[in-house]
Amino acid sequence: GAGVSQTPSNKVTEKGKYVELRCDPISGHTALYWYRQSLGQGPEFLIYFQGTGAADDSGLPNDRFFAVRPEGSVSTLKIQRTERGDSAVYLCASARLPGEQETQYFGPGTRLLVL
Amino acid sequence: DQQVKQNSPSLSVQEGRISILNCDYTNSMFDYFLWYKKYPAEGPTFLISISSIKDKNEDGRFTVFLNKSAKHLSLHIVPSQPGDSAVYFCAASEGSYIPTFGRGTSLIVHP
Repeated sequence: GAGVSQTPSNKVTEKGKYVELRCDPISGHTALYWYRQSLGQGPEFLIYFQGTGAADDSGLPNDRFFAVRPEGSVSTLKIQRTERGDSAVYLCASARLPGEQETQYFGPGTRLLVL
Repeated sequence: DQQVKQNSPSLSVQEGRISILNCDYTNSMFDYFLWYKKYPAEGPTFLISISSIKDKNEDGRFTVFLNKSAKHLSLHIVPSQPGDSAVYFCAASEGSYIPTFGRGTSLIVHP
C-alpha cells in the first residue's frame, strides 16, 4: 500500500499570503501528526489528531497556524499571513494507533519558502 | 532550550568500521528513546528504540545503549555500510507520547 503522501512537495509564497499544505495518511491510520523542521533542526511537533479531533495542538506556534482533519483521514495545515520565519519543511506522519511511535510513518514533507 | 541534544552535526566513517552517534537529554521524565534515519527528500524512518528499563537494545547491525544516570544514549552501527549514509535523529518521549527530536547527525560512510 501507499505511504504517507504530502502535497505540494514544494511551495514558494510571498510574505503575507495564505498557504495550505495537505497530508494523505496511510489508509486506516487513526493518528496523524504534523511537525515542522527548520534548517539545521530536528522535527518539531505542531499538532496531533486522533480521528477527526485535534488531541494536542500545543506545538502550534501562534494563531496563524491551524489544521483540520474533517473526515479523519486527509489533513490540511493552514498558515495565514505567512512570515519569512515560517520557511521550513512541514512533515506529516501517521500511525495506526496513538502511541505507536515505532510505526509512525512520515511523509516526504512539503518544503515551504516564504519570500 | 534543547531537551534532546546531538552535539555532533556530522560524522565520517570508513566502510566496515563502527559508527557511534551520541545523544544527550536533559528531561529526567523521558523514559522512551528512539533513533530515526532520514535520507534526503524523504521523511524520517524509525530505526530502533529503547525503554528506560533497559540499557541496551540490539537489532542486527544497530545497537542502542542507554546510560540513564548520565542521561546519554548512543547508536552503534557495526559494520558501517555506504547505504547507512544519512541523517540520524535521536528522539525521546515520556511514555509513548509524542517524541522530542534532536537536531540530527549527518553520517557519511566512505567506501
